Formats: sequence, C-alpha cells, structure tokens
Amino acid sequence: QVQLVQSGAEVKKPGASVKVSCKASGYTFTSYSINWVRQAPGQGLEWMGWIGTYNGNTNYAQKLQGRVTVTTDTSTTTAYMELRSLRSDDTAVYYCARGISGSYLYYFDYWGQGTLVTVSS
Amino acid sequence: SSELTQDPAVSVALGQTVRITCQGDSLRSYYASWYQQKPGQAPLLVIYDKNNRPSGIPDRFSGSSSGNTASLTITGAQAEDEADYYCNSRDSSGNHVVFGGGTKLTVL
Repeated sequence: QVQLVQSGAEVKKPGASVKVSCKASGYTFTSYSINWVRQAPGQGLEWMGWIGTYNGNTNYAQKLQGRVTVTTDTSTTTAYMELRSLRSDDTAVYYCARGISGSYLYYFDYWGQGTLVTVSS
Repeated sequence: SSELTQDPAVSVALGQTVRITCQGDSLRSYYASWYQQKPGQAPLLVIYDKNNRPSGIPDRFSGSSSGNTASLTITGAQAEDEADYYCNSRDSSGNHVVFGGGTKLTVL
C-alpha cells in the first residue's frame, strides 16, 4: 500500500534552517510528483511547492521562493524539503503529499503524517 | 489570501444534506478536489477530478461545479463527517496550486 512516512518533530531558532524528509513506498516513486503543504496552528492548508520525481523539476509558491528547496533521492525513494531563514510564522505542521496532475486538475491522493516544526527563540 | 473562497463554517442536522462551496476564477478552467481533515490528522482526499471518489469514501459524498463555483455535497450527513473541508485546484495561471481557506462542518 502507498505510504509516505515523514521525519520527526523539530524545534528551531529564528534564522535557522530545517530539513524534513518524506520516505515513499508502495508505488513507483518516479511516476508521481511529491508536494509539500503546510498548516500553521489553527489555520488552513498552504501549498509550498512540488518536485517532479522523474526529472527533478521544481515549482515553488511565490511567497516562499528563495527560502525553500525540495529535493529527492530516487535511490531511497525519499523527498526532502528544506526551509531556510526560519521565522516564528513558519511554525506549522508540514505535510508531504503525492500529486496527481492533468490538464484540468491537480490533487493530492496520499499524504504523509505531518511533521511539526516549531520556530522559537 | 487564497484564490479560492470558502465559507468559514457550515452546520447540518444529522441525516440531512449539506453543500459546501468553493469559489474562484480558476475554477472556470480547472476542476476542484476536496479534502476532509479531522483534528490532529492529515487531510484525506474525498473528491477528485470534479466528482470522483477514492476507494473507501462513502457515496454520500459528491462533487459538482458550475461557472466559478465548485461544491461538495454530503447527502445524509453522519456524525463522523464533522471535520474541516478544503477545496484545491490549480491557480488562475495554471502553474501553481491553491487551497481554499477551509470550511468547518458541524453536524448537529
């Protein structure tokens, strides 16, 4: 069965960086994109970006351009999301999700369990 | 701010029908998908490609679309349907992905 298993919770100081991993299993890793979505406490979902696991192409939300990098290691079927220059408003649960794309749609059919990143001095 | 707009909260009596809406210009060109999220859990896809249900999602969930508005309808709402519901689609440029702000559904 398809599974996305994320790394554990992190506590970081403002200005630091965090790198969250997402280990995929149960499907052909390079056949689907991996997306990152975050959710601040009590808030809604925010799409951060995606990576095409076949070719490594990336696409990021304009708001996070320059601070976020998504990479993959196809040998271990693992995706990574690094966020730099952390601020308190980056405190959130970060999810990876498998993306399904088409000419008229984009959706997420499987999600990781989420990783809480807390930014605090 | 989100390019997709949802009502913050909706309530429904047990066993009745409720419609949750999602508005945005991008919905004139792209299909919406819908997710259910319960406290402390990851989102769960309930409707995709406008009106398809993943395996295991009850058939009381359905989707529709007209103009710039997509709708998620729950016919015969159950207590376990109480959750936050989010729509998503591509944005107006087609290059990025957006979510609606979410609707908190209360089943009375």
